[in-house]
Amino acid sequence: AQSVTQPDIHITVSEGASLELRCNYSYGATPYLFWYVQSPGQGLQLLLKYFSGDTLVQGIKGFEAEFKRSQSSFNLRKPSVHWSDAAEYFCAVDYNQGGKLIFGQGTELSVKP
Amino acid sequence: DAGVTQSPTHLIKTRGQHVTLRCSPISGHKSVSWYQQVLGQGPQFIFQYYEKEERGRGNFPDRFSARQFPNYSSELNVNALLLGDSALYLCASWSMPGRSNTEAFFGQGTRLTVV
Repeated sequence: AQSVTQPDIHITVSEGASLELRCNYSYGATPYLFWYVQSPGQGLQLLLKYFSGDTLVQGIKGFEAEFKRSQSSFNLRKPSVHWSDAAEYFCAVDYNQGGKLIFGQGTELSVKP
Repeated sequence: DAGVTQSPTHLIKTRGQHVTLRCSPISGHKSVSWYQQVLGQGPQFIFQYYEKEERGRGNFPDRFSARQFPNYSSELNVNALLLGDSALYLCASWSMPGRSNTEAFFGQGTRLTVV
């Protein structure tokens, strides 16, 4: 079955520290890959996306993600976390490239001062 | 340009009732998809419409239905509400679903509480 796994339910990092959120997907072919952020009571905002080409993609707010086909992973990174980055982060996959997104269960990020 | 608008923002219904949720996509976008997000989980795909035709349906019971109008706005209907239907319902607007360099723009959602 098509699925997306975010192994970390909750992560706490200190402000200024680096961040990596993990995402693994099932399936053989390379799907379209996305990372979204959701603040409490809000909708989803796209951070970045991967369709093809360069496996390191840059997004908004200083985030980047690297697609690794051999590991079926699309991990999100940020070199220096800000307190305003505290939110829920979702990895999503479009397996059929038709606009149906399958989401992971999310990783809640807390930032310590 | 206005973003994706959903109405109402909050709704409280009683078990067994019916509910209609509305979504207006970004101007020029012809595709809308609906997602259910239960507290503490990621969004689950319910429906996708493109050019007023259903293009996909998730694993939801027949109590859930949707339609897209000529102006590309959409309604999600849920009949015979259950407590488990309590969730945030998100609408996404796509310019060209499945095409390279497209993306989904999400509305703020409708928070449905079934009591």
